[in-house]
Amino acid sequence: GAGVSQTPSNKVTEKGKYVELRCDPISGHTALYWYRQSLGQGPEFLIYFQGTGAADDSGLPNDRFFAVRPEGSVSTLKIQRTERGDSAVYLCASSLTGRGTWGEQYFGPGTRLTVT
Amino acid sequence: DQQVKQNSPSLSVQEGRISILNCDYTNSMFDYFLWYKKYPAEGPTFLISISSIKDKNEDGRFTVFLNKSAKHLSLHIVPSQPGDSAVYFCVAQFYFGTGTSLTVIP
Repeated sequence: GAGVSQTPSNKVTEKGKYVELRCDPISGHTALYWYRQSLGQGPEFLIYFQGTGAADDSGLPNDRFFAVRPEGSVSTLKIQRTERGDSAVYLCASSLTGRGTWGEQYFGPGTRLTVT
Repeated sequence: DQQVKQNSPSLSVQEGRISILNCDYTNSMFDYFLWYKKYPAEGPTFLISISSIKDKNEDGRFTVFLNKSAKHLSLHIVPSQPGDSAVYFCVAQFYFGTGTSLTVIP
């Protein structure tokens, strides 16, 4: 069975460029989460979708970060005017249900973003 | 500010012995806790969870204990196996701790 997939697995970009990171959740999972993990840290929550809507985007660090999930399945995390500090592994997870029951989340392998 | 803290960045245990991983949290409103395990170059995988109405949850070799008054939980692995070597994250809601790297020595 297909798990959560993320593309690309690695992305190197120059400072100031725009990047898009894609997440394909497990089919049927209504909740989708984005996290960012820097070296030596645990995953840091960015945004949570329930269906098509962003139910909680309180973790997005600033307005350069934006995420969409237009059809309630695939999600794209968009980062404008990238900075070197954005370099991290970006993890996506999905779960059958969302916040409230805190069902276990299934994580993808992550996208390693390097901003030079 | 770190809402979930794992103060031991690493732990080494002999195969067959007990591994105890500790976690502290700051928000008394947290009511659901999870442990995830992570191998290099992979995403975290769910291991075990506990809700605040319980103080213990057991699944095979893995047991999680919750002390609400101390805002502390721990994960016990017994007996530890070399395949358990990984980074373990304690999670409250969607706040992750910094992880503890467990090495089980054969």
